[in-house]
Parts: sequence; C-alpha cells; structure tokens
Amino acid sequence: EAQVTQNPRYLITVTGKKLTVTCSQNMNHEYMSWYRQDPGLGLRQIYYSMNVEVTDKGDVPEGYKVSRKEKRNFPLILESPSPNQTSLYFCASSLTDRLAYTDTQYFGPGTRLTVL
Amino acid sequence: AQSVTQPDIHITVSEGASLELRCNYSYGATPYLFWYVQSPGQGLQLLLKYFSGDTLVQGIKGFEAEFKRSQSSFNLRKPSVHWSDAAEYFCAVGFFNKFYFGSGTKLNVKP
Repeated sequence: EAQVTQNPRYLITVTGKKLTVTCSQNMNHEYMSWYRQDPGLGLRQIYYSMNVEVTDKGDVPEGYKVSRKEKRNFPLILESPSPNQTSLYFCASSLTDRLAYTDTQYFGPGTRLTVL
Repeated sequence: AQSVTQPDIHITVSEGASLELRCNYSYGATPYLFWYVQSPGQGLQLLLKYFSGDTLVQGIKGFEAEFKRSQSSFNLRKPSVHWSDAAEYFCAVGFFNKFYFGSGTKLNVKP
C-alpha cells in the first residue's frame, strides 16, 4: 500500500530536549516536505527536499533542521524545542515533473507535538 | 509576498444544498492549484487540482472547481452536499518547489 508514515504520532517533551520526527514514503517520490498546522493559519511549509541531499527552506524554517540521506526518509529535527513549536506536523511526498513543478502531495497522518 | 486567502472560516449548509468555497491567491503567474480535504484527526486528501487547460476541473466525491485567471480565484463547488462532506477544506498553491496553503474553511452540514 502506497503511504507516508510518521513517527511518533504523539509526543510530549520539554523545552530544550532534542527530538526527531521520522517520515518515510514507499512511493519512490523525489519531493518530500514538512508542514506545521496551527489553528487559523492553515499549513505552513517548514522545509522541503527535491531529492537526496537537496533540501531548502520553506516559509517557517526557524528552529528546525532536516536531512535527506535516503530517498524514502526525510526526518525533521528540533534541536532545542520551544513551546512555540507546539503544533501538528505533517510530512508529505510527491512526484516532480521535468520542470520541477510538484504534483499531488500525499500526506502522512500527522504528529502532534507538545513542548512544555 | 505570496498568499492564499480563504475568506470563509466556517460555513454551514443543509444536507442536499449546494456549496461553494472561495479561494483567492496572489502570484505573478498562474501557479498549480489544489483543493485538499481534512477530516477530523486525519491527514489531507487531494480533492482536485488544476495545472493548465480546461478551467473547470472535476475531482473526487462529486466536487469541482473553476479557475478564473482574471479574479485569481479557484473556488470549490458541489451541487448537493452530503453529511459525510463535513470537514475542513484547504486551498493550496504550488509555485515551483514551494507550497502555500490557505487557512482553511470548516464545513458543517445540517441534517
């Protein structure tokens, strides 16, 4: 079954304690992305990756890191989480065309993060 | 700056009534346009998309959307709403490698 998986689904942590949220897709997609969803703000793109070892900032990258060492995995790293990073996080993946326009994104189930 | 606007935060319609959800965007060129739906506690599912060609696009679950370049709009419509359509709907724009989402419209369906 084609899917995007995220782990953990729920996480409560404390300020400053490094954490990683994993994302994996089994569709051989080039493009992967992380979003955060906050009430009244919709989804905002944190980072995206066009392919292995190619990553770039989205609209709200501050306080986050990513890496893309394998095509299927795109972990999101919070090295020193703060309460304003409490949010619902989604990973997504898609194919890209020859013009580098991205097609339909497939979303993971979400990770609800609370930073105390 | 790029932006996607969904002016209606909440909409309530009666089951069987028609629906239109509004979406406007501000970009210099025609971007790729999408509508996604999010049921409570779920991820996002694509309803339909527009890249080029016919400005009226059909999607899943009986939804359609019309791209109007002159108005920079991509409104979502459904002729007859079902109770199962109650969810949050997001308009999104893809511009080269980045995506921008509207703030969402929550749809309630009255029996």
